[in-house]
Amino acid sequence: DTAVSQTPKYLVTQMGNDKSIKCEQNLGHDTMYWYKQDSKKFLKIMFSYNNKELIINETVPNRFSPKSPDKAHLNLHINSLELGDSAVYFCASSQDPTGGNTGELFFGEGSRLTVL
Amino acid sequence: RKEVEQDPGPFNVPEGATVAFNCTYSNSASQSFFWYRQDCRKEPKLLMSVYSSGNEDGRFTAQLNRASQYISLLIRDSKLSDSATYLCVVNTNAGKSTFGDGTTLTVKP
Repeated sequence: DTAVSQTPKYLVTQMGNDKSIKCEQNLGHDTMYWYKQDSKKFLKIMFSYNNKELIINETVPNRFSPKSPDKAHLNLHINSLELGDSAVYFCASSQDPTGGNTGELFFGEGSRLTVL
Repeated sequence: RKEVEQDPGPFNVPEGATVAFNCTYSNSASQSFFWYRQDCRKEPKLLMSVYSSGNEDGRFTAQLNRASQYISLLIRDSKLSDSATYLCVVNTNAGKSTFGDGTTLTVKP
């Protein structure tokens, strides 16, 4: 069973469209994240949710709206897509670093978004 | 100044070589430290955590110097399969993980 799964893996769309990426984890973790990896391979955090509550919101355009219906799911909706949104978006989850947990991040396989 | 800085490389080494990667971080309140590995077109995966006393896992040794805010990763007897990008990761007590920009390693026969 895949621990962190995200769909779709590939997404090609036109500028101005709205698209969503979905993420699910079956690890029982409390915290989920969205990371963006651009063409230069730099990995930057976008959002973090802990038990459905937003705890990290980096400087991200408000065209990006995360939504966590429950602690096992974290979706990312992007409005009015722009060329610069082309990147690989990684979902990740972690357990709180207490009780011997290291806070290790478990990543999904990534969703490669191409905006034309 | 970036929160986490790494030498981007690339490092091109022959099989069997020893190679060391360095990483510095700016937030003195950082709590935990890791090295992740990312293969081409794959997701990052944890390679090893970094403990204050230093730790070793087979051919890999990680060191932490809190006073200098410096982390290192040493790979001995490099294998072709070690070719990847190595990411230094620093966590704050707020649970935020900040990634370095990665160091690319290519091990050649």
